[in-house]
Amino acid sequence: GAGVSQSPSNKVTEKGKDVELRCDPISGHTALYWYRQRLGQGLEFLIYFQGNSAPDKSGLPSDRFSAERTGESVSTLTIQRTQQEDSAVYLCASSLDTSGANVLTFGAGSRLTVL
Amino acid sequence: AQRVTQPEKLLSVFKGAPVELKCNYSYSGSPELFWYVQYSRQRLQLLLRHISRESIKGFTADLNKGETSFHLKKPFAQEEDSAMYYCALHSRRGFKTIFGAGTRLFVKA
Repeated sequence: GAGVSQSPSNKVTEKGKDVELRCDPISGHTALYWYRQRLGQGLEFLIYFQGNSAPDKSGLPSDRFSAERTGESVSTLTIQRTQQEDSAVYLCASSLDTSGANVLTFGAGSRLTVL
Repeated sequence: AQRVTQPEKLLSVFKGAPVELKCNYSYSGSPELFWYVQYSRQRLQLLLRHISRESIKGFTADLNKGETSFHLKKPFAQEEDSAMYYCALHSRRGFKTIFGAGTRLFVKA
C-alpha cells in the first residue's frame, strides 16, 4: 500500500482479555517498529524487526507482550491479559533501514482502552 | 545508554517570534538525529534530519556534538507551526530509533 496501515484504529476491551494489533508496513520496507504512546507522554520504544527477526525486544514491558512479523511484511503485536495501564495508542512505523535513510513512516495508530 | 531529552513539555510563543525547541542526546558514536512533527489529527511525520542540512517550513536544526544537542529553530513562528515536536535518535549499532518525550508548540495569534 501507499502508507503504513494499522488495525483496529480503536479497541475497547475488558481487563484480562487478550488483544491483537496489526500493522501493514510499506511494501519493501525491511524495518518495522512498534511504539507505545500513553496519554500526555512521548513515544516508548517496544520492539524492532529487521525482516522477520526481532534483534531488539528490550522495550517490551512484560512477558504479556509479544510480537511477530511474517513474510517481511505484516506484524502483529499481542497483549495478553490486558491491564488498565496498557491503555495507550500503539504506533507502528516502517523504514528502508539503510544508512542515512532511517526515516520512519508512521501509521495512524491503534488506540487501546482497557476498562 | 542512549537517551533523548526534550526539557520543555510545552512552549508557547507569539506569531512572528523566534522559536527554539531544545533537544539533547546521549550516545557514544556518530548519531543520526531527526525531528518529527505531529499536527492535530495527523500522523507523526518527518520534519527534518541532520544529515540533509535542510530547512523545512523555515525550520533548521544544527547538530552540536560538543554540547550533544540538536535544537530546532525557526526565526519567525507561524500559527500553523502549532504541533507536537519529537526529537529522535537512530542508533547505527542497535538499529533502533528512540524518541524524546516531545514538546508541544503553541503559536498564539
